[in-house]
Amino acid sequence: DSGVTQTPKHLITATGQRVTLRCSPRSGDLSVYWYQQSLDQGLQFLIQYYNGEERAKGNILERFSAQQFPDLHSELNLSSLELGDSALYFCASSVDSGPYEQYFGPGTRLTVT
Amino acid sequence: QQQVKQSPQSLIVQKGGIPIINCAYENTAFDYFPWYQQFPGKGPALLIAIRPDVSEKKEGRFTISFNKSAKQFSLHIMDSQPGDSATYFCAASRETGANNLFFGTGTRLTVIP
Repeated sequence: DSGVTQTPKHLITATGQRVTLRCSPRSGDLSVYWYQQSLDQGLQFLIQYYNGEERAKGNILERFSAQQFPDLHSELNLSSLELGDSALYFCASSVDSGPYEQYFGPGTRLTVT
Repeated sequence: QQQVKQSPQSLIVQKGGIPIINCAYENTAFDYFPWYQQFPGKGPALLIAIRPDVSEKKEGRFTISFNKSAKQFSLHIMDSQPGDSATYFCAASRETGANNLFFGTGTRLTVIP
């Protein structure tokens, strides 16, 4: 158990809908990263927050957004969902913003029908 | 463009064998190189990591070899066991700027009893 929690574990929704994925980092970790894992694209970085502020963006679609709250939990919002958004979404946390160990949560499996 | 190239895609070894997984990178700004192990339905778990100031690091049965001049690094699993059967990902990140992980495409390892 990495200490990173993610909810929900599974999510099934229809095209065009909006969903919110939630992540709680390990106790004491200030940095949260979101990654998408799909069969054709592998593990891809989406976005990073550090102590409530956006730190870096990767291959994140404009339909996707995220935020980190004062209690350091983070939410990833996916809107206008398409079939191709079906994937595993992982949250990772690290103690600081830097090349430190990142610990991954168990993921949320999103299925868009 | 794949920033970290990983091979082989899959690997089958007998119990007790020493599987070797190789990764290569181009970006000389990378200075942190972790390996992750992922079981089906689980999040990636940090296995071992190395920084470029050393050429080798061992933790238990896992060893990373690092060749800075060749921009290559590899994972060796000594005395492999059926429980090591999983997908292994190499990754890299930068010390400055965005610190997200760039992942290789993964190697599916099967250890036959």
